[in-house]
Amino acid sequence: EDQVTQSPEALRLQEGESSSLNCSYTVSGLRGLFWYRQDPGKGPEFLFTLYSAGEEKEKERLKATLTKKESFLHITAPKPEDSATYLCAVPEARGGQNFVFGPGTRLSVLP
Amino acid sequence: NAGVTQTPKFRVLKTGQSMTLLCAQDMNHEYMYWYRQDPGMGLRLIHYSVGEGTTAKGEVPDGYNVSRLKKQNFLLGLESAAPSQTSVYFCASSDRGPWTGELFFGEGSRLTVL
Repeated sequence: EDQVTQSPEALRLQEGESSSLNCSYTVSGLRGLFWYRQDPGKGPEFLFTLYSAGEEKEKERLKATLTKKESFLHITAPKPEDSATYLCAVPEARGGQNFVFGPGTRLSVLP
Repeated sequence: NAGVTQTPKFRVLKTGQSMTLLCAQDMNHEYMYWYRQDPGMGLRLIHYSVGEGTTAKGEVPDGYNVSRLKKQNFLLGLESAAPSQTSVYFCASSDRGPWTGELFFGEGSRLTVL
């Protein structure tokens, strides 16, 4: 069964304290891995797509990396405005229209 | 630039009542989706559409119906609401499908069924 897990469930950082979020997946024949940011009371907003192991994407203080089993979202010197829930998702293996979403990591960056 | 707009944003229903959630997108996207989001769980696909006049079931379709009569609109209906349908509902659209295109989400519709 296709599955996506994320850890930790919640993370509190001090401003400037770098860390990483993990997304692990068990989908055969990966067709891409997507990262989204979701602010409270809002819909998810697209951040990155990664397609192959070894690929990296960067956007401001965020860098996403991908291996054959997992993806990391590295946050360098975070600011309070980076506080949000970060979701990862993969297209389901059987080629349908569905994404399998992880439950998310809730990040809080304290000033 | 509106993107994806959902109405209503909040609704409270009694068990057995019916309602329709409306999703409108102004990006000329072919693909549209309805997801539900529950605490501690990932977004789960209810129904989707790959173009005007088409609909298909997702992961959790029971108790819901959809219609896509116009390309820009995707309606989600609850014929007889149940407390288990209390959730936040998100509509999303995409121009290229799930393997090459990202999803654009609306801001959500929070539904409570008493």
